[in-house]
Amino acid sequence: EDKVVQSPLSLVVHEGDTVTLNCSYEVTNFRSLLWYKQEKKAPTFLFMLTSSGIEKKSGRLSSILDKKELFSILNITATQTGDSAIYLCAPRGSLAGNQFYFGTGTSLTVIP
Amino acid sequence: NAGVTQTPKFRILKIGQSMTLQCTQDMNHNYMYWYRQDPGMGLKLIYYSVGAGITDKGEVPNGYNVSRSTTEDFPLRLELAAPSQTSVYFCASRVLGSYNEQFFGPGTRLTVL
Repeated sequence: EDKVVQSPLSLVVHEGDTVTLNCSYEVTNFRSLLWYKQEKKAPTFLFMLTSSGIEKKSGRLSSILDKKELFSILNITATQTGDSAIYLCAPRGSLAGNQFYFGTGTSLTVIP
Repeated sequence: NAGVTQTPKFRILKIGQSMTLQCTQDMNHNYMYWYRQDPGMGLKLIYYSVGAGITDKGEVPNGYNVSRSTTEDFPLRLELAAPSQTSVYFCASRVLGSYNEQFFGPGTRLTVL
């Protein structure tokens, strides 16, 4: 059975801290893994990862994929209050419909 | 481009009532999806479509129906609303191809009392 596990479930940090969010997955015919940020509305796209070991970066956010060990991490450095959100991991398989499997997310709260 | 639009934004239904959640995208995307998100949970796939005239069930299809008569529209129908269908519903779309992300609509918050 396909599954996605994100950890921790929630996290409270102070501004300036660095955080690491984890996503482990088991998906049939893995194709890619996406990270989304959700702030009380629709998820917004952050990264798409398809190859192991290649870090994707966007400002203070970065992410990497390990296809052998079936996990991905999302790092946020120098956190700001605007980073407070739920971060969702969504690996995708290649079954009919190319389904995305969403984890329950990690709720990040950044305190000033 | 308006992207993915959903109507209504909010709705309260009584048990047993029916309604249709509308979803439209203007990006000419082949794939469209309906998800529900319960509090503190991830998104669960209800139905998806790979093109006009083609739909299929996702993880949690019971109590819902969909149709896809055009590329742009993908309405979700609730026939006999139940309290268990209280949730936030998101529609999403994606262009054909292996390495393309989904674009989400703003969501519909549905409460069944």
